[in-house]
Amino acid sequence: DSGVTQTPKHLITATGQRVTLRCSPRSGDLSVYWYQQSLDQGLQFLIQYYNGEERAKGNILERFSAQQFPDLHSELNLSSLELGDSALYFCASSVMVASFHEQFFGPGTRLTVL
Amino acid sequence: GENVEQHPSTLSVQEGDSAVIKCTYSDSASNYFPWYKQELGKRPQLIIDIRSNVGEKKDQRIAVTLNKTAKHFSLHITETQPEDSAVYFCAASTSAQAGTALIFGKGTTLSVSS
Repeated sequence: DSGVTQTPKHLITATGQRVTLRCSPRSGDLSVYWYQQSLDQGLQFLIQYYNGEERAKGNILERFSAQQFPDLHSELNLSSLELGDSALYFCASSVMVASFHEQFFGPGTRLTVL
Repeated sequence: GENVEQHPSTLSVQEGDSAVIKCTYSDSASNYFPWYKQELGKRPQLIIDIRSNVGEKKDQRIAVTLNKTAKHFSLHITETQPEDSAVYFCAASTSAQAGTALIFGKGTTLSVSS
């Protein structure tokens, strides 16, 4: 157990819908990262937040958005869902924003879009 | 942006043999190179990492080497065991106070047969 929690574990929804994935970082970690893992694209970085502020952005679609709240938990919002959005979404956390700090991954949320 | 290439995509070895996985990166500013192991259905977990000011690092049966000039780094696993079977991901990152992201390779599926 990494100390990072994600809910829900599984999510099944239809195309065009909107979902929210939730992540709680390890106690004391200020930085949260979101990754998408699909079979053909591997692990792709989406976005990073540090202490409530967006710090780095990857290939995140405009239909996706995220935020980090004052209690440091983060939510990833996916809207106008398409079949290709089906994937495993991981949240990770680290103590600081710099790369030398280990990123601890949560168990992931498996999203299935039908 | 950074691009990480990883080879081979699959690797099968006999128990007790050594396994080597190689990665190349494109951004000369990258200075942190972690390796993650992901067992089936589980989250990625850090197994070893190396910073750009170090050429080699060992941890029991696992070692990582880095050649900054050639922009490549490798994972070496000696005396492989069946429990080493998993998907291994290399990653590269730039340490920056503005924000940081792990850019992953596509992964190597290692199978160790007894």
